[in-house]
Amino acid sequence: QVLLQESGPGLVEPSGTLSLTCSVSGVSITETSYYWAWVRQSPGKGPEWIGAMHSRGSVVYNPSLNSRVAISVDPSKNDFSLTLTSVTAADTSIFYCATLYYSSGRCHHFDYWGQGILVSVSS
Amino acid sequence: EIVMTQSPATLSVSPGERATLFCRASQTVHNYLAWYQQKPGQAPRLLISATSTRATGIPARFSGSGSGTEFTLTISGLQSEDFGTYYCQQHEDWPLTFGQGTKVEI
Repeated sequence: QVLLQESGPGLVEPSGTLSLTCSVSGVSITETSYYWAWVRQSPGKGPEWIGAMHSRGSVVYNPSLNSRVAISVDPSKNDFSLTLTSVTAADTSIFYCATLYYSSGRCHHFDYWGQGILVSVSS
Repeated sequence: EIVMTQSPATLSVSPGERATLFCRASQTVHNYLAWYQQKPGQAPRLLISATSTRATGIPARFSGSGSGTEFTLTISGLQSEDFGTYYCQQHEDWPLTFGQGTKVEI
C-alpha cells in the first residue's frame, strides 16, 4: 500500500521560504515508474501542478512558479521535498504530494496523494 | 499552456440518476486525459486515466469517453457516495493542468 504524508510548518511569513517534506512508504522512491510531484489547491479552486522530479534526476516545474520552486528527492530517507521562495498571501494553499505515473517516456496521471497540508502565508 | 474548461460548474442530480460531466481542452490532448473525484477535506482521488481506463477499485458506473479536445465523464446510477467535485487533468503537455471542477450535488 502506497502512502504519502506531507509535513512542514503551517504558517510562513510573507517574503519567506516555504519548505515541505513528503514521506513515502509502500514504494521505493527510486521506483522508475514515478515522478514525485507537488500539487497545490487554493480554497474553492482546482488543483495546480507545481512540479515533479524523477529519482534519476529529471525535474520539471510549472513555468508560473519556475523561478521560485525547487524539488529534491532523498533516496536515503525515501522522501522528497518542496521549497518555494518569496512567498506571498497568494501562495496560501493546501499542498499535496503525489505520485505521477511515468511510462513510455511520458508522465500521465496522479495515482496516489498525501492527505494535504494547509500552509498559510501571513505575518 | 493547455487550458481545461469544465461544465457545468454545478450539477444537481438525484440518487439513481445519470450524471454527465464535460471537459474541454484549449488544444488537442489526444487521449491524455484523467478524471479525479474530490470530497471536502480530502485529496483528489484518481477515477479514470487515458480518457477511459478506470483506476483500480473504481466502480463500473464511472465511464469516460472522448478524444482531442472534448471529453465526458458519465456516472450511471448515481449513489450517495458519488457526490463531490470532479476535476479533469490533461497530461499531453507541460505544464500539467486541471479544470476548475464540476460540483455534483443533490
